[in-house]
Amino acid sequence: QVQLVQSGAEVKKPGASVRVSCKASGDTFTTYFMHWVRQAPGQGLEWLGMFNPNGGYTHYAQTFEGRVAVSMDASTTTVYMDLSSLRSEDTAVYYCARRHGPNLWGGMDVWGQGTTVIVSS
Amino acid sequence: QSVLTQPPSVSGVPGQGVTISCTGSSPNIGAGYGVHWYQQLPGTAPKLLIYDNTNRPSGVPDRFSGSKSGTSASLAITGLQADDEADYYCQSYDSSLSAWVFGGGTKLTVL
Repeated sequence: QVQLVQSGAEVKKPGASVRVSCKASGDTFTTYFMHWVRQAPGQGLEWLGMFNPNGGYTHYAQTFEGRVAVSMDASTTTVYMDLSSLRSEDTAVYYCARRHGPNLWGGMDVWGQGTTVIVSS
Repeated sequence: QSVLTQPPSVSGVPGQGVTISCTGSSPNIGAGYGVHWYQQLPGTAPKLLIYDNTNRPSGVPDRFSGSKSGTSASLAITGLQADDEADYYCQSYDSSLSAWVFGGGTKLTVL
């Protein structure tokens, strides 16, 4: 059974960048797409982007285009999400989540534990 | 404003059933993209409850069921239990946004 373990909490100043990591274990790393989803305090879920480890294809939400980048280190089976030009509204819990099954538009069946990012001056 | 619309809250008493709706439009649910449902307990990551409209992952009780018709979908929970109290989210794909989209979430209170 695959597990996703994310990096620890971060506190950043406005304008800075943050990198959140998501280490996968227990399954073939390149088999499934990886999504990134965030949740602001007291708010709902918001999709940021997705990454195909088999080829490195990425696709981002228009809202975050130009500010978000997802990459991977296959040797450590770790996916990274970089978010730049941080503002207070980016304060949220960030999750990585694995796509369920072969369907491109499938749900997300395995989630990381979440990484809290706080943006504050 | 979420692309998929859910009621902010629903409630029920133990043993009874509730239904949570998820209303979309032609570029998402109406286009045939699958609807997926998640349960989020306080302070935890979401958990996949229903995938591709009606399917339950292994380990999810059959008290939870999903349906879809036209541009809407629903999650039904029967035999309510206290630990069903959580936030529930629907999710699909939107072809006009080229994005995976979520509903705003519904808070279930078990009275």
